[in-house]
Amino acid sequence: ETGVTQTPRHLVMGMTNKKSLKCEQHLGHNAMYWYKQSAKKPLELMFVYSLEERVENNSVPSRFSPECPNSSHLFLHLHTLQPEDSALYLCASSQVTGTNVLTFGAGSRLTVL
Amino acid sequence: AQTVTQSQPEMSVQEAETVTLSCTYDTSESDYYLFWYKQPPSRQMILVIRQEAYKQQNATENRFSVNFQKAAKSFSLKISDSQLGDAAMYFCAYRLYGGATNKLIFGTGTLLAVQP
Repeated sequence: ETGVTQTPRHLVMGMTNKKSLKCEQHLGHNAMYWYKQSAKKPLELMFVYSLEERVENNSVPSRFSPECPNSSHLFLHLHTLQPEDSALYLCASSQVTGTNVLTFGAGSRLTVL
Repeated sequence: AQTVTQSQPEMSVQEAETVTLSCTYDTSESDYYLFWYKQPPSRQMILVIRQEAYKQQNATENRFSVNFQKAAKSFSLKISDSQLGDAAMYFCAYRLYGGATNKLIFGTGTLLAVQP
């Protein structure tokens, strides 16, 4: 596989469930990102990991918990979500230096009932 | 704070025609990057074109070109000879040059329809 792969593509969960979104990149990048995409809103940056360290956390509620075990993998653990958390969650990766162009995955569509 | 504004929620173009998507941004910085990303129905965001603010020459990538007006803080995308595969949501994005993180600030997007 090449590029950035996200699983699952679709997820439906109840407010009391615990689930995780997974992102994997095969590009040799050393920075990874979670973005939230809601209809008619700009993409919102949630978390940034650079060299496996979290360097940005944009006031995201604690019900979202990121994990970056290595430079190729990024998770977003979900717990006790609200219906307004329903959105497309996009993962991206880049080099920390150089051209810094982000490469995105196809996203995980989350629906919270 | 930096902001990016796309004032056209939807646009339509005939196949083989030319269309221009608008983007304005607000920043007090002098060194930054600007991007256009395309998001087709497959949902994967794809980089269309990139412009460094210090370069006066407008970037071009095949049928895609930009009109970068730094003083006016305007960064429009021109698509020539439009094709059915160009139908997608287009996002304009801004990134400050340098810094510890590659933080992109996005606009709300323009949905482009291509009519056969």
